[in-house]
Amino acid sequence: AQKVTQAQTEISVVEKEDVTLDCVYETRDTTYYLFWYKQPPSGELVFLIRRNSFDEQNEISGRYSWNFQKSTSSFNFTITASQVVDSAVYFCALSEAGDYGQNFVFGPGTRLSVLP
Amino acid sequence: EAEVAQSPRYKITEKSQAVAFWCDPISGHATLYWYRQILGQGPELLVQFQDESVVDDSQLPKDRFSAERLKGVDSTLKIQPAELGDSAMYLCASSLGGTYVGGYETQYFGPGTRLLVL
Repeated sequence: AQKVTQAQTEISVVEKEDVTLDCVYETRDTTYYLFWYKQPPSGELVFLIRRNSFDEQNEISGRYSWNFQKSTSSFNFTITASQVVDSAVYFCALSEAGDYGQNFVFGPGTRLSVLP
Repeated sequence: EAEVAQSPRYKITEKSQAVAFWCDPISGHATLYWYRQILGQGPELLVQFQDESVVDDSQLPKDRFSAERLKGVDSTLKIQPAELGDSAMYLCASSLGGTYVGGYETQYFGPGTRLLVL
């Protein structure tokens, strides 16, 4: 069984504040991948990052950074100096081998509102 | 930049009617996925294709939903008859499709079709 939890349903911040979106996952596999996607109001899911279970190095891409901690089964996402354009729903997802191929499960999402 | 295309973007229908959604994946992508996203929730997989073959349709309500990808390129998802509870966003995604089906690959999503059943 697998499960992705995003405990924060909604977050509001003021522009230029830093914000961290939490993601906790459950899996019994040793090989798995974790993803973050952004869903702006237009509806399309935009890929942000993919990380495999053997690579615990944190990653930074511009204002975005990700903290992967296997010990706590967490893959948190931080936006530094948030901007209004960051307003969206953010989904964490887990992929592992399934009976029929890739088993891909999304969390419930966190709605981020960045206020000017 | 290559994109996943979907049509229509919006569909309003009455219950008991038939509806169909179309998806054209990124060129060269062998694996295609259909998801349903209910408002306020994450997407849930309905069906996965590898080329023209169904790999996983365990979550597809087969009494009313059907999906096909006849030539292994574009795909159609059909609902007949539509019910009120089918109102949702229907998302199509594709990935390269390596030797291991779907193999932890990044999925790229289309803009979705918003369905409203009255």
